[in-house]
Amino acid sequence: DIVMTQSPDSLAVSLGERATINCKSSQSVLYSSDNKNFLAWYQQKPGQPLKLLIYWASTRESGVPDRFSGSGSGTDFTLTIRSLQAEDVAVYYCQQYYGIPHTFGQGTKLEIK
Amino acid sequence: EVQLVESGGGLVQPGGSLRLSCAASGFTFSTYWMHWVRQAPGEGLVWVSRINIDGSITSYADSVEGRFTISRDNAKDTLYLQMNSLRAEDTAVYYCARDPGHSGYVGSCDYWGQGTLVTVSS
Repeated sequence: DIVMTQSPDSLAVSLGERATINCKSSQSVLYSSDNKNFLAWYQQKPGQPLKLLIYWASTRESGVPDRFSGSGSGTDFTLTIRSLQAEDVAVYYCQQYYGIPHTFGQGTKLEIK
Repeated sequence: EVQLVESGGGLVQPGGSLRLSCAASGFTFSTYWMHWVRQAPGEGLVWVSRINIDGSITSYADSVEGRFTISRDNAKDTLYLQMNSLRAEDTAVYYCARDPGHSGYVGSCDYWGQGTLVTVSS
């Protein structure tokens, strides 16, 4: 199985500041034939359905604010939230869908400082 | 509006069985792969299973292989997860989720239900 490791486990950032969450896979999730990274980011808030934020490592899902961005390739990926808003408080997960099982990172809890 | 509504969760004894359902609406269910993902209390997300558009292709996490069966009824727009030989470690909220690949497969999940809680305990 591909192991996904996120860092940090929790993060406190001031409103308006940048939040950065990292995700590392135990093997590459880059499919070389089409140069796509099989990596997604999700947001989980209490009482709400999980929300897909980013897919193919850097493509923002429709309706997701542009302060959310994804980057990286191969085994190292980053979710960046530019100018943190109060509504961004949540747990964030990365997921690889390169191999079965489609494993998730352990989650990063984002709070306001 | 895409909606996924899970049901069928509850308290079951170890070794027992349960069938979860996921009612889909707001999209052409028969043209999308579907997934089940679970989350134990206070823990992270774990992918459980997937099924293709006509039910002929299924995959499972090792932890549930041979005990759980994913299926679908496209006439009823409903996804199922039959869970047998349940263990305490199967206790979790179970989410159904849609794969975004219309008539194809991607592997991520673009819409999620609210989940249904399964508790395995004596």
